[in-house]
Amino acid sequence: DTAVSQTPKYLVTQMGNDKSIKCEQNLGHDTMYWYKQDSKKFLKIMFSYNNKELIINETVPNRFSPKSPDKAHLNLHINSLELGDSAVYFCASSQSRAGDTGELFFGEGSRLTVL
Amino acid sequence: AQSVAQPEDQVNVAEGNPLTVKCTYSVSGNPYLFWYVQYPNRGLQFLLKYITGDNLVKGSYGFEAEFNKSQTSFHLKKPSALVSDSALYFCAVRDIRGGFKTIFGAGTRLFVKA
Repeated sequence: DTAVSQTPKYLVTQMGNDKSIKCEQNLGHDTMYWYKQDSKKFLKIMFSYNNKELIINETVPNRFSPKSPDKAHLNLHINSLELGDSAVYFCASSQSRAGDTGELFFGEGSRLTVL
Repeated sequence: AQSVAQPEDQVNVAEGNPLTVKCTYSVSGNPYLFWYVQYPNRGLQFLLKYITGDNLVKGSYGFEAEFNKSQTSFHLKKPSALVSDSALYFCAVRDIRGGFKTIFGAGTRLFVKA
């Protein structure tokens, strides 16, 4: 069973469109994340939810809106896509109770290409 | 603020030779330190972590890392490299007072030649 799964794996779309990426984890973790990996492979945290509560919201355009319907799911919706949004988006999860060390478990990534 | 530096974009080593991938960090408190590996077109995989205790930690696939508090370093090592170790390696830090944020270095590409 895949621990952290993302769909779709590939997205190709035109500028100005809206797209969503979905993520699910079956590890029983309480915290989920979205990271963006650019063309130079640099990883930057975007958002994090702990038990459905938004706890990290980095400097990200408000065209990006995360949503966590429950602690096993975290979705990312992007409005009015721009060329610079082209990247690989990784979902991750961790267990973050007191005493947990919080290593991250990553999905396989969703490669977004904006034309 | 937390930060991680990986000074080498690429490390080249011959198969069978020892390898080192360097990492230095900056946090205001005590860090949790991690190494992750990324194979082409895959997600990152956890390799090992330092939390407390022995400065030499062992992880998956024969990798180990040495924590050096005075030099704020956490270098990844392996005694004998394999061609299959060729991948992108990320060092990461999490400030134990900083909640849930894990910050990654820029990554170092390891190339092991047969």
